[in-house]
Amino acid sequence: KAGVTQTPRYLIKTRGQQVTLSCSPISGHRSVSWYQQTPGQGLQFLFEYFSETQRNKGNFPGRFSGRQFSNSRSEMNVSTLELGDSALYLCASSAQGSTGELFFGEGSRLTVL
Amino acid sequence: AQKITQTQPGMFVQEKEAVTLDCTYDTSDPSYGLFWYKQPSSGEMIFLIYQGSYDQQNATEGRYSLNFQKARKSANLVISASQLGDSAMYFCAMRDLDSNYQLIWGAGTKLIIKP
Repeated sequence: KAGVTQTPRYLIKTRGQQVTLSCSPISGHRSVSWYQQTPGQGLQFLFEYFSETQRNKGNFPGRFSGRQFSNSRSEMNVSTLELGDSALYLCASSAQGSTGELFFGEGSRLTVL
Repeated sequence: AQKITQTQPGMFVQEKEAVTLDCTYDTSDPSYGLFWYKQPSSGEMIFLIYQGSYDQQNATEGRYSLNFQKARKSANLVISASQLGDSAMYFCAMRDLDSNYQLIWGAGTKLIIKP
């Protein structure tokens, strides 16, 4: 059974650009959540999707957005990149949504120059 | 507001010894879940163990066990017979099971196993 797949694994952007990250959950999982990890702020919740609906959103500016498709794949987008957006972005999928373990991908490491 | 506290930024442990990683939490919700994850240098978060707030017994998964003390709001991870491959960051996390779908994370503990 394939795990959670995130693409791209590494990317470098410049300030002001926008970026789209992709996450393919484990087959059959309908919940996908996104987290940002930085040395200064640690792990912070971005948003969670279940059956194409955003159920919860963390405390991030509107530049951060996401969506989920009918096949449960999810994308997150960051517009007008800032230096502080440099981080590891982790995607997790879950079978049950509100309970049970979350399975994480290897993350997308974004560097903003 | 929910909060997770991990008071040990780093730990050095001799190989084959047992190690306890501390985690305390704060929540007013009666129904919650507690998680421990391992993050090696590669970056991937690896699930280790889960404890539900209503579970009567402490969770165990192989060499991992969770010392759950509900009254003290404590959920320490115990790793028995540590191995060199256990060297990694360890994160404690909590999730409200009724209405909130996000994980609240601790700051993590960097564990280094010495040969």
